[in-house]
Amino acid sequence: AQSVTQPDIHITVSEGASLELRCNYSYGATPYLFWYVQSPGQGLQLLLKYFSGDTLVQGIKGFEAEFKRSQSSFNLRKPSVHWSDAAEYFCARLAGNQFYFGTGTSLTVIP
Amino acid sequence: EAQVTQNPRYLITVTGKKLTVTCSQNMNHEYMSWYRQDPGLGLRQIYYSMNVEVTDKGDVPEGYKVSRKEKRNFPLILESPSPNQTSLYFCASSSAEGVKTQYFGPGTRLLVL
Repeated sequence: AQSVTQPDIHITVSEGASLELRCNYSYGATPYLFWYVQSPGQGLQLLLKYFSGDTLVQGIKGFEAEFKRSQSSFNLRKPSVHWSDAAEYFCARLAGNQFYFGTGTSLTVIP
Repeated sequence: EAQVTQNPRYLITVTGKKLTVTCSQNMNHEYMSWYRQDPGLGLRQIYYSMNVEVTDKGDVPEGYKVSRKEKRNFPLILESPSPNQTSLYFCASSSAEGVKTQYFGPGTRLLVL
């Protein structure tokens, strides 16, 4: 079955520190992968997506993600976290016409 | 302004009372989808539609119906709601071309008593 795994339920980082959120997907053909952010009480906003080409993808708000086929991973990174980055982050995969989301990682940023 | 709208935003109902949550998009998108979000489970796709009169089941379609009679609208119907359908529901839309970049609505919080 298609699946997306986010191993970390909750992460706390200090403002200004670097961030990496993990995402693993189940094996399949070239995956279409996404990262979304959900601020409290809000809908989801697309941060970035990968479907082919360069395995390092740049997104909005200073985020980037790297696709590693050998590890079936698509980890999200940011070099310096801001307090406004506190939110829930979801990794997702498109398989055919159907989307599969991970269970999310909640990010807390401490001053 | 390009947007996906959902109504109502909040709804409290009782078991068995039919309800409809509307979803509308103004971007002429072919693809539309419904999700439910539950703590610890992330988002799960209920139904999706590739275009008018074309709908398919997602991961959790039981207890839900959808219709796509017009391109802009994709209502979610709960014929006989049950408490386990208490959840936060999101509608999303995207163009069918290329990789589907979805635009999400603001969500509908449903409580079934």
